[in-house]
Amino acid sequence: RKEVEQDPGPFNVPEGATVAFNCTYSNSASQSFFWYRQDCRKEPKLLMSVYSSGNEDGRFTAQLNRASQYISLLIRDSKLSDSATYLCVVNRKGYQKVTFGIGTKLQVIP
Amino acid sequence: NAGVTQTPKFQVLKTGQSMTLQCAQDMNHEYMSWYRQDPGMGLRLIHYSVGAGITDQGEVPNGYNVSRSTTEDFPLRLLSAAPSQTSVYFCASSSNYKNTGELFFGEGSRLTVL
Repeated sequence: RKEVEQDPGPFNVPEGATVAFNCTYSNSASQSFFWYRQDCRKEPKLLMSVYSSGNEDGRFTAQLNRASQYISLLIRDSKLSDSATYLCVVNRKGYQKVTFGIGTKLQVIP
Repeated sequence: NAGVTQTPKFQVLKTGQSMTLQCAQDMNHEYMSWYRQDPGMGLRLIHYSVGAGITDQGEVPNGYNVSRSTTEDFPLRLLSAAPSQTSVYFCASSSNYKNTGELFFGEGSRLTVL
């Protein structure tokens, strides 16, 4: 089983829709969680960290479910500019090697 | 702010040739790393460093060497290029080596080995 798993998609959603992605992780010692955004042929960029209590940044909400070992990203009121690949990143406490998921591709359609 | 700078952006090599991908950061980050990204595989860690003079292997280190003589620079050397090393390479740095999930990436170097 992969350490971090994501549905590669693509998720095709209309503008204005709400879309959610999940990412599951296999190592219960995982401590830190992040979502990155990667545009086509560009470098990944940190979108948001995921805290135990959940966190929100504008239209984006990230949540952590330790019991079921997954994190989620919710995007409300999707914009065309949200079209990108969203990468899930997991790290263990004191561990200097993070693990990336393969990413979930989102295409927002006019 | 330049952030993380990678050169070259594109490179074509023949099998057996060697080359160095350069990476420099101006944020005084202790942690630096190299990843390769291949379709369907995600980003995979090649080598990383938690400070000048300290390097360690990641998930896919074979065929690559690194050194870290200064805080700013972290070059990646391909010793004898193989077609399997055709990929997009990203250098990344972090200010917090104890929580290395907050990474700043360079723009990438696209390498083709014929």
